[in-house]
Amino acid sequence: TQLLEQSPQFLSIQEGENLTVYCNSSSVFSSLQWYRQEPGEGPVLLVTVVTGGEVKKLKRLTFQFGDARKDSSLHITAAQPGDTGLYLCAGAPRTGNQFYFGTGTSLTVIP
Amino acid sequence: DSGVTQTPKHLITATGQRVTLRCSPRSGDLSVYWYQQSLDQGLQFLIQYYNGEERAKGNILERFSAQQFPDLHSELNLSSLELGDSALYFCASSTYHSQVGNTIYFGEGSWLTVV
Repeated sequence: TQLLEQSPQFLSIQEGENLTVYCNSSSVFSSLQWYRQEPGEGPVLLVTVVTGGEVKKLKRLTFQFGDARKDSSLHITAAQPGDTGLYLCAGAPRTGNQFYFGTGTSLTVIP
Repeated sequence: DSGVTQTPKHLITATGQRVTLRCSPRSGDLSVYWYQQSLDQGLQFLIQYYNGEERAKGNILERFSAQQFPDLHSELNLSSLELGDSALYFCASSTYHSQVGNTIYFGEGSWLTVV
């Protein structure tokens, strides 16, 4: 059973378009992280969200944590080819220091 | 640079052989995690250590084992290797930040190819 489900699994868009990636769970997390991974490299941390309803912006990327801390979204405005990669969400439950990773969204931005 | 160091970066070995992957966590991090990532799959959690002790076990095969040493570095041992073990193996360590809680940082991975 996958604790965190991401959608869509694959996304191919034209440069300049906007997109949203979703990360959903039935479990509550104390925090949620988003990572971007390029082929053959390790996932790189983009952001951590902690508070329900929190919105964080990182240039053209906007991250939101759901009010109930069960879900999150990543919105990219005016996507660039450099945004291409695998986007992973990861949730940390309230107790312990385990992490649960989402299924991943593979994004391709076509020039 | 995440601060997590993994060696070797690339490894090619034959079926039936045994290899050891090494990981040095970020300075001060007590938790070490091992993940496997195959071409068409996401990150598969293998095992977690905290301050030298096994904390959690995921989908780790019996042919695989790991340990964390007193200096906190960790090793993942893969034995009786099969073609299907070819994958990227990631080590990660976690840091507790007072404002955001636990955050996990990944190394660059070890590419294992079994031929």
